[in-house]
This record gives sequence, C-alpha cells and structure tokens, in this order.
Amino acid sequence: DIQMTQSPSSLSASVGDRVTITCRASQSIRFSLNWYQQKPGKAPKLLIYAASSLQIGVPSRFSGSGSGTDFTLTISSLQPEDFATFYCQQSYAYPRTFGHGTKVEI
Amino acid sequence: QVQLVQSGAEVRKPGSSVKVSCKASGGSFRAFSISWLRQAPGQGLVWMGQINPGFGSPIYAQRFQGRLTISADESTSTVLMELNSLRSEDTAIYYCADSSPGFDPWGQGAQVTVSS
Repeated sequence: DIQMTQSPSSLSASVGDRVTITCRASQSIRFSLNWYQQKPGKAPKLLIYAASSLQIGVPSRFSGSGSGTDFTLTISSLQPEDFATFYCQQSYAYPRTFGHGTKVEI
Repeated sequence: QVQLVQSGAEVRKPGSSVKVSCKASGGSFRAFSISWLRQAPGQGLVWMGQINPGFGSPIYAQRFQGRLTISADESTSTVLMELNSLRSEDTAIYYCADSSPGFDPWGQGAQVTVSS
C-alpha cells in the first residue's frame, strides 16, 4: 500500500496567515493527489484534485502543488471558516490511502 | 447535481452484520464510481472499497477482504455496503462517495455502533 505522510499533524495560526501543509507519498503517485477539508461532525469536502486543480466552488485562497512524491496545500490568507482538519489522499493505486490529517487551530 | 443519501444509524452486536445503503441521484447511475469509506471516533479516513455500477466487479481493500460486500441495484440507483463479523473496532461513521477523481460528493454518513 502507498503510505501518505502529512506534516505537521497540527498547527496554530491566525486569521490572515499563510498556511502550508505538506504531504509525502511512499512512492511516486505522479499528480494523483487530492486534498480535503473536514469540519467536526461533517463529511469531508474535496478542495483540490489532481494535485493542483481547484474543485468548483472552492475559494481561490486554496491552492495545491507538487508531483511525484511531494505535495503542498497552501491557504494564502486563513479565514475563520478555514479552521478544520485537512487530509491528503492518493488516487494513483488501490487501496486508496489518506494521510493522517493536519488540524489547523487558532 | 449529484447527491448521495445514506441510510440511518445502526447498532449491532459483535459477530453480527450490518448493511448501509447509499442512494444516488442527479446523474447516470452507471456512470458513478461509488466508494465506501469509514472514520472511527477521533481517527482518520479509511477507504474500504469501490464499485462501478456500469461495469466490473467491486474492488476491496485487503484488510476488509472476506468481510465486506459492496453491491449495486440499478433499479433503485442504490449502492449497498454489507460488513460481516462485526467487532468493536468497526464502530465508525461510514460514508459513501463518488470517486472521480477525488471523492465528491459524499453522503451524509451513517453511524454504526458495535456493542454488546
């Protein structure tokens, strides 16, 4: 199975901060990397697919980059509604696997 | 607009089985690629398996092989997930999601509690 390693596991930030979360795959997954945001009690929401494509309806302050094994999710200016847990997920091979999550807190 | 609606919460005893349904609307059922995922309390997301109603056999994660059955009923546009030989570690919220390429949209989730 492809292992997905996210860092950090949690971070504290303020409104307006630029936030970066990284995700590393245990082998090359080319561009097959997706990012999700999950708020307590809710289903995850797809933010970015194929490493850098913004899902329809997702604010442009979210962006993704990377290829191969190293990927990044960036929030350019953190908003109050962005405090949540973020997960990366590879769609290159079965079984699909997720990172352990990054909790973004105030 | 594609929408996935899941059945409700379930409580089961260890050793029993559970079925959770996921009804799809807003698109061609045969074009869907529905995955099942779960999230134990305070834990991350785990992909369990996937079915493409239009073709092919389901794909299962090795860890659930032999206990998990995913099926599709085209007449009702419903995907069914059945998990057998339940144990306490199966207590989780179970989600269905369309998978192309990322998981979107998601069902609302169904709480499954395994307790004696």
